[in-house]
Amino acid sequence: GAVVSQHPSWVICKSGTSVKIECRSLDFQATTMFWYRQFPKQSLMLMATSNEGSKATYEQGVEKDKFLINHASLTLSTLTVTSAHPEDSSFYICSARVSGDYEQYFGPGTRLTVT
Amino acid sequence: DAKTTQPTSMDCAEGRAANLPCNHSTISGNEYVYWYRQIHSQGPQYIIHGLKNNETNEMASLIITEDRKSSTLILPHATLRDTAVYYCIVRSSNQAGTALIFGKGTTLSVSS
Repeated sequence: GAVVSQHPSWVICKSGTSVKIECRSLDFQATTMFWYRQFPKQSLMLMATSNEGSKATYEQGVEKDKFLINHASLTLSTLTVTSAHPEDSSFYICSARVSGDYEQYFGPGTRLTVT
Repeated sequence: DAKTTQPTSMDCAEGRAANLPCNHSTISGNEYVYWYRQIHSQGPQYIIHGLKNNETNEMASLIITEDRKSSTLILPHATLRDTAVYYCIVRSSNQAGTALIFGKGTTLSVSS
């Protein structure tokens, strides 16, 4: 089956610094990638949708200047949390789909802790 | 998307069948019922989906009522590794390019 990886699986950073999370489709080309975040004991919340070569579309309430998304290739999307603060601590999950395929494949998630 | 309603939590004994219900009374004719699960601190995992007929795969069975207003996911022989949050999602085929939207799901606890 289609595999999506994320790196790193967990990261701790200091408040005010930036951290980049990578999402890769390992055995398929992902025309669309999605980024979610999940706070403890809550469901997944969609942050943004990115299509390869286009600017990401952000959900209402998600700051596009704080959460920078780049989808420069068909196998890689990155989420950069800029000037991270403790309230950005969360579980970040990406997913990917192939054009024409209904299925959405999820990565294993990245645990971000901002101290 | 049609709204879904699931119980907050359920318990199941190991080795017994786990039957997880989902109500989707406003489902329209072209909307599919999807089930995903999320084991703690992992990404969601696809389980099964269906339109109107019952479906079965190596993981589970999906029973959809004739009026399509509700469905049941059946894990025939639950194991401890099936402890997870189970999400029932309804969406149409023309939403293939859009993201899955997750509700609160059902937390299934399987105990020995």
